[in-house]
Amino acid sequence: AQSVTQLDSQVPVFEEAPVELRCNYSSSVSVYLFWYVQYPNQGLQLLLKYLSGSTLVESINGFEAEFNKSQTSFHLRKPSVHISDTAEYFCAVSPNSGYSTLTFGKGTMLLVSP
Amino acid sequence: DSGVTQTPKHLITATGQRVTLRCSPRSGDLSVYWYQQSLDQGLQFLIQYYNGEERAKGNILERFSAQQFPDLHSELNLSSLELGDSALYFCASSVGLAFENTGELFFGEGSRLTVL
Repeated sequence: AQSVTQLDSQVPVFEEAPVELRCNYSSSVSVYLFWYVQYPNQGLQLLLKYLSGSTLVESINGFEAEFNKSQTSFHLRKPSVHISDTAEYFCAVSPNSGYSTLTFGKGTMLLVSP
Repeated sequence: DSGVTQTPKHLITATGQRVTLRCSPRSGDLSVYWYQQSLDQGLQFLIQYYNGEERAKGNILERFSAQQFPDLHSELNLSSLELGDSALYFCASSVGLAFENTGELFFGEGSRLTVL
């Protein structure tokens, strides 16, 4: 079984400041890793994913995450946030073989203020 | 728009009642997943169907059941409702069973259930 820990339930930052949202996972098998974003009153949308290859993955809107196998982490970073990045961010893990069920963390609310 | 459609968007009912939530997956997706989102539990995986067959089960209560029909839409049935069942229920879909090719679930906007 897999589990995901998102250490921060809420992260307040000012606009244009850098941010890091932390994610640690636990798994007895090799995994795929994901970050999903949920804007208010909407469903979840995939932000970025690590399946294989380069351990640094990027999204189209400036977020990046690095898979660190030794630390079992997949932290999400952005060098300069915008007001529009205010949303809840979920880290998720799936075994990389067999059935594709996602296990989510409890989410981190990113609050960007002017 | 993810292409996943869920109805109803909001539902208010009383304890002891039974409700049905409906989900239409993206065109071409064979897998349907149900998740429950609540403030205290976060996002909990309930059940997965693939092409009409149950494939994986998570933290789904015995009072809850689901099915996927030949046209691939799915229904989640919640019975003997309790106050604690109040939550946002998400449906998601994906092309297949495994993530090697797609690596993504597509989520609907959810059905918010309030049990009074």
